[in-house]
Amino acid sequence: DSGVTQTPKHLITATGQRVTLRCSPRSGDLSVYWYQQSLDQGLQFLIQYYNGEERAKGNILERFSAQQFPDLHSELNLSSLELGDSALYFCASSGSDTYTEAFFGQGTRLTVV
Amino acid sequence: AQKITQTQPGMFVQEKEAVTLDCTYDTSDPSYGLFWYKQPSSGEMIFLIYQGSYDQQNATEGRYSLNFQKARKSANLVISASQLGDSAMYFCAMREGYPGRRALTFGSGTRLQVQP
Repeated sequence: DSGVTQTPKHLITATGQRVTLRCSPRSGDLSVYWYQQSLDQGLQFLIQYYNGEERAKGNILERFSAQQFPDLHSELNLSSLELGDSALYFCASSGSDTYTEAFFGQGTRLTVV
Repeated sequence: AQKITQTQPGMFVQEKEAVTLDCTYDTSDPSYGLFWYKQPSSGEMIFLIYQGSYDQQNATEGRYSLNFQKARKSANLVISASQLGDSAMYFCAMREGYPGRRALTFGSGTRLQVQP
């Protein structure tokens, strides 16, 4: 058990809909990263939050947004969903912005139909 | 340009034998970290081993060791005494030190199959 909790584990939704993925980092970890794993794009970094503030952006679409709350949990919001958004979405946490390890949650498998 | 390259899409190994999974990387940052993750068919990403760019010795964690050759920019994972449960996808990843680039960059992965 990595200590990173993601909910839900599975999500099936229709095109055009909006969903929210939730991540609780390991106790004490300030940094949260979101990644997308799809068959055609592999594992890609989406966005990072550190202690409530956005720290870095990767290949995140404008339809996607995220935030980190005062209790350090994070949410990734995906809107106007398309079939191509079907993927495994991971959250990872680490202790600081330069901490070595990054531990991943179990992922949320999103299927858009 | 690819920052992490894994040239072996698939590998087979006999149970109890050792196997090496290749990884080369590209960065101009003097401070960076290299990671290996295992992803079994269930989908979770399991952290295996870490090597810092300034570490003098190769990292080891149980049956996993990282063969770090800095001049060649390679960070190969060696799994000794393979077990059936080692069958999975393995990803090499890098974290650079520049602010704003500390997220992990992943390679395309190697699917390892351990045969009895």
